Amino acid sequence: DGGITQSPKYLFRKEGQNVTLSCEQNLNHDAMYWYRQDPGQGLRLIYYSQIVNDFQKGDIAEGYSVSREKKESFPLTVTSAQKNPTAFYLCASKPGGGGNTGELFFGEGSRLTVL
Amino acid sequence: QKEVEQDPGPLSVPEGAIVSLNCTYSNSAFQYFMWYRQYSRKGPELLMYTYSSGNKEDGRFTAQVDKSSKYISLFIRDSQPSDSATYLCAPSSNTGKLIFGQGTTLQVKP
Repeated sequence: DGGITQSPKYLFRKEGQNVTLSCEQNLNHDAMYWYRQDPGQGLRLIYYSQIVNDFQKGDIAEGYSVSREKKESFPLTVTSAQKNPTAFYLCASKPGGGGNTGELFFGEGSRLTVL
Repeated sequence: QKEVEQDPGPLSVPEGAIVSLNCTYSNSAFQYFMWYRQYSRKGPELLMYTYSSGNKEDGRFTAQVDKSSKYISLFIRDSQPSDSATYLCAPSSNTGKLIFGQGTTLQVKP
């Protein structure tokens, strides 16, 4: 089945450690996104990529990094510079370019807890 | 002022009730209006999608947009326990960037 796969589903990290969240899609979508969801704050855009080997910062990019070496993959690294990394992270993709106003398809999310 | 405001609830209703979920927004450039439904511990999924002002109906769900007052509504008729979820409004302009509201958590009690 086509879709977006995020892993791991749950992750625990000690302060000061970097951690990488995986996002893979087999929908052949050009644009991919990373959002962060906190209680009462909705979804906030971290990074997005409209095409392979290109990505842009979203509204809350500080302390995060991404890469887009393959169309199917858009991993997110939460670095030790991120002050409050405990959150629910959602990866999404969209057909066409980022300017397309079509539907965003989401993965099931990764919950990161910093101990 | 946030670009999109949505009452987080929680909203609790009995089964069969009519539910009204609402958002206000400030950016007059928004042309596309989406409602996403998110079950607990899952990713959001698109529920309704409207363009510009007006109503759109899909089964028990009706999306309404009033651009003059910058007000977005989602109505659920004959609500069911399976409708219990968080509902996120998400308007966007021609750039395609979605701006999400905080989400309203709905519980429908049998």
